[in-house]
Amino acid sequence: EIVLTQSPATLSLSPGERATLSCGASQSVASSLAWFQHKPGRAPRLLIYGASNRATGVPARFSGSGSGTDFTLVISSLEPEDFATYYCHQSGNWPSRPSGLSFGGGTKVELK
Amino acid sequence: EVQLVQSGAEMKKPGQSLKISCQASGYTFNSFWISWVRQAPGKGLEWIASIYPRDSDARYSPSFQGQVTISADTSLSSTYLHWNSLKTSDTARYFCVRQQQWPFYHVDYWGPGTLVSVS
Repeated sequence: EIVLTQSPATLSLSPGERATLSCGASQSVASSLAWFQHKPGRAPRLLIYGASNRATGVPARFSGSGSGTDFTLVISSLEPEDFATYYCHQSGNWPSRPSGLSFGGGTKVELK
Repeated sequence: EVQLVQSGAEMKKPGQSLKISCQASGYTFNSFWISWVRQAPGKGLEWIASIYPRDSDARYSPSFQGQVTISADTSLSSTYLHWNSLKTSDTARYFCVRQQQWPFYHVDYWGPGTLVSVS
């Protein structure tokens, strides 16, 4: 089972600031890493897939990088609507056996 | 437009059985893995199980193997998650999610979630 570890757990920032979120995998997932934004009471929203590809409609201020075991999500300049919890997600070995999906523990980006 | 419509909230007692559902539309149901993800109160997201509707190939997280059963009905474009005997620790919101195809198989679309309360 691949474990994803996100850091920091909480990021306190102001609008306009840059947010840098990290996600580490316990073993290589190649580029099979995605990022989601989650707000309370709503379904998570896909931001990045394949480590660095923005999903349809995602603003350019969101960017992803990394491969193997170390990944980063950067929000270049925080907008008010960006304050939320962010999860990384891996599908590294899918659909070969053994395989599984997993999610990181989340990073909460909160208003400073 | 891809849509995942989930069944309504459930309130159950420990030991009772439960089956929740998710009906998909807007894409070829048979050709994409579809999965269930849990979020317990105050916790993060946990993958439970996935199924490939075309051949019913099912995969389970080791944490949930033997605790739940995933199934699919291609005639209804629906997937189900079933418990024989609920525990209080099953209290959570359960999301139905679709996985994209090769090369990344990442989750892309989410249903709104089904709240399950066991007490």
